[in-house]
Amino acid sequence: DIVMTQTPLSLSVTPGQPASISCKSSQSLLHSDGKTFFYWYLQKPGQPPQLLIYEVSNRFSGVPDRFSGSGSGTAFTLRISRVEVEDVGVYYCMQTIQLPITFGQGTRLEIK
Amino acid sequence: EVQLVESGGGLVKPGGSLRLSCAASGFIFSNAWMSWVRQAPGKGLEWVGRIKSKTDGGTTDYAAPVKGRFTISRDDSKNTLYVQMNSLKTDDTAVYYCTTGYSWGQGTLVTVSS
Repeated sequence: DIVMTQTPLSLSVTPGQPASISCKSSQSLLHSDGKTFFYWYLQKPGQPPQLLIYEVSNRFSGVPDRFSGSGSGTAFTLRISRVEVEDVGVYYCMQTIQLPITFGQGTRLEIK
Repeated sequence: EVQLVESGGGLVKPGGSLRLSCAASGFIFSNAWMSWVRQAPGKGLEWVGRIKSKTDGGTTDYAAPVKGRFTISRDDSKNTLYVQMNSLKTDDTAVYYCTTGYSWGQGTLVTVSS
């Protein structure tokens, strides 16, 4: 199974400040068709996960542009340019290039 | 607007069975590959399994912990996804979400306890 390792597991950020979460996969997520099957989700308290970023760097519909994704191969980063109170929750990375689909452990973001 | 609405959760004894449903709307369900993902209380996300669209073969894949006990199916005429869960264990206690990958339902809680 592909292991997804997120760091840090928690972070506390002052509103208006940037934040960054890393996710590393145990195998490359680059497919032979050129796509990279890597995603970021945010699970706000009491809610289901919501897709933020698909295929490394594409913001899903309605996602604010303060969220951005980057990376390649086995190393990926989610950046929030200016954290807002509504960004509180747990962030998960996920891969779908190989079954079983696997998730990172989650990174809990709280507001200072 | 895409909507996914799960139902069928509840309390069941170890060894028991339960069938969850997920009613889909707002997109062409028959074209979608659908997954079930679960989340044990206070834990992270765990993929349970998926079913491809019939045009892509309609085949199913499962995570190791549920293989042989869970069966995912779909009824494209009803825009509904199912998971039949047999031989339930206490470790299966979780909120079960159906998802297209892009959209998620609100989830339904399954509690396996004596």
